[in-house]
Amino acid sequence: AQSVSQHNHHVILSEAASLELGCNYSYGGTVNLFWYVQYPGQHLQLLLKYFSGDPLVKGIKGFEAEFIKSKFSFNLRKPSVQWSDTAEYFCAVNDYKLSFGAGTTVTVRA
Amino acid sequence: GAGVSQSPSNKVTEKGKDVELRCDPISGHTALYWYRQSLGQGLEFLIYFQGNSAPDKSGLPSDRFSAERTGGSVSTLTIQRTQQEDSAVYLCASSPRERGDGYTFGSGTRLTVV
Repeated sequence: AQSVSQHNHHVILSEAASLELGCNYSYGGTVNLFWYVQYPGQHLQLLLKYFSGDPLVKGIKGFEAEFIKSKFSFNLRKPSVQWSDTAEYFCAVNDYKLSFGAGTTVTVRA
Repeated sequence: GAGVSQSPSNKVTEKGKDVELRCDPISGHTALYWYRQSLGQGLEFLIYFQGNSAPDKSGLPSDRFSAERTGGSVSTLTIQRTQQEDSAVYLCASSPRERGDGYTFGSGTRLTVV
């Protein structure tokens, strides 16, 4: 199964700052890629997904992610964060099994 | 139902007791996963069911853990002789097909072993 690496354990930033969270997976082939978010006290929700086609994927709440096949990466971005983006973010990769990264905690200061 | 339903939402049990956690996936979803989320940890894969195929049990941490899925729908995760390190949130997710169209997660069962 895939190994999924998320580069940042905890990110702290101010409102209106830009956010980029790194995600790499371990090997190629046909994969489906996901970013999930878990707001405090809530369950996991799908932010966006990539199956095929345009490698720049737009999700909910202004998030987007770029799939770079040659780098085995699927980084998440948001140009301007809000306090309400404070949450834990998980990258996941599915070849035959859905594997998650360890998660990145994002704290946005008002 | 409209989403993945897990019960109970919270469970406190004494060390050494057995517990059963239930997951009702979205109707028609063929893929079902169990994960465990411990405080400050990521999601640890436990077991994966896909249709009528033999489940992938490679993530079960010990032989105290078992899971079944009856009729391709409801799944039960059983932990025997619970230990304090079993305390975690147990999450269930389902998807309409093997490679997933975005898995839908339940709210989880918070298990506390005292």
